[in-house]
Amino acid sequence: QQQVKQSPQSLIVQKGGISIINCAYENTAFDYFPWYQQFPGKGPALLIAIRPDVSEKKEGRFTISFNKSAKQFSLHIMDSQPGDSATYFCAASDLYGQNFVFGPGTRLSVLP
Amino acid sequence: DSGVTQTPKHLITATGQRVTLRCSPRSGDLSVYWYQQSLDQGLQFLIQYYNGEERAKGNILERFSAQQFPDLHSELNLSSLELGDSALYFCASSLLGLGVKETQYFGPGTRLLVL
Repeated sequence: QQQVKQSPQSLIVQKGGISIINCAYENTAFDYFPWYQQFPGKGPALLIAIRPDVSEKKEGRFTISFNKSAKQFSLHIMDSQPGDSATYFCAASDLYGQNFVFGPGTRLSVLP
Repeated sequence: DSGVTQTPKHLITATGQRVTLRCSPRSGDLSVYWYQQSLDQGLQFLIQYYNGEERAKGNILERFSAQQFPDLHSELNLSSLELGDSALYFCASSLLGLGVKETQYFGPGTRLLVL
């Protein structure tokens, strides 16, 4: 129940295209859903996060869509750029933020 | 640069040995988190400290231990090392210790290779 599933494992997108990464969870106690971006040789960095009381959150070219009934959430990267090439992790945590788990990651490559 | 420093950058050791990884949080941050990242296990949260006290525990093995000192730097001790402990170990820090509900600033990591 603690697991967060993430797909696809890897994704190749042309410059200007839309990148979509999906995550699914089982634990209904999860209350907060952040996404992290990690470039090679660097630590992860928080990208965007959503709470289950909203269905969508947008920050620039990055949008999280959240479907509470399906227990799924996804990251959309609009107008994908080569600089977006990185590994993306979804995560889920409980109300207090201390009990959290990461998805296995998606390696995104944006071709110029 | 996140402001979080980790030493050493690389560490090569043998099975059965013990190593200590060190982390200095961003100036002003009170909480430190340790993570392990490996190809087969992905990114795993190990343990969190807030102002010197343990606040949360993740998938940390009994062979591993950590502490946070009065100056807020933290050390992760890994003992009886096994081949499977080879991984990248990240430290992160945050101000309020709210887990992932607060921006955590990650250090550059320590790459551990157990031979």
